[in-house]
Amino acid sequence: EPEVTQTPSHQVTQMGQEVILRCVPISNHLYFYWYRQILGQKVEFLVSFYNNEISEKSEIFDDQFSVERPDGSNFTLKIRSTKLEDSAMYFCASRPLAGGFTDTQYFGPGTRLTVL
Amino acid sequence: DAKTTQPPSMDCAEGRAANLPCNHSTISGNEYVYWYRQIHSQGPQYIIHGLKNNETNEMASLIITEDRKSSTLILPHATLRDTAVYYCIVRVAGYGGSQGNLIFGKGTKLSVKP
Repeated sequence: EPEVTQTPSHQVTQMGQEVILRCVPISNHLYFYWYRQILGQKVEFLVSFYNNEISEKSEIFDDQFSVERPDGSNFTLKIRSTKLEDSAMYFCASRPLAGGFTDTQYFGPGTRLTVL
Repeated sequence: DAKTTQPPSMDCAEGRAANLPCNHSTISGNEYVYWYRQIHSQGPQYIIHGLKNNETNEMASLIITEDRKSSTLILPHATLRDTAVYYCIVRVAGYGGSQGNLIFGKGTKLSVKP
């Protein structure tokens, strides 16, 4: 069964450094998402991406964040200058072109980002 | 904020049915009820969704009340591996350009005990 994959599984970085989190969505999916979950807290929406542009973003997704689909398979989240409070699990999700009931989002296993 | 209310925790005996309730009294006519679960710190896993009719798949059944203000997720024979946080989410199903990002609440922590 196809699945969303994410790399790395764990990223440790120093405060102020740039990090890029990578995701490979399910191949025929067209909508892509990033969510994050700070330890012990709720899963929070960050951004959605469709047709090579951001469709929607939350207040969390400020100028320090950016997303990109650099090729036909990868979807990346970049944090330009990491802060301690960026430490969290970051989940990528994808869904197919909507139609009927086929708009379920499928999540990857997550990347644990630790900012020191 | 999440538009749903769920009990923070529930216990269930292994092999018994787990019935997880959810209140969504302000649900709109075009909003579906979705259920996801999160095992430990893994990515949320889709379980089932429905609009107004009851639904069943290989994982669970979803019972939606006639007024659509509440629903129940049923795991017919819970196993230890079903221990997880279960999230009930209402959202508009996407058509065309609609994005429908998921808004997670705190969910129900289901503990299946031997």
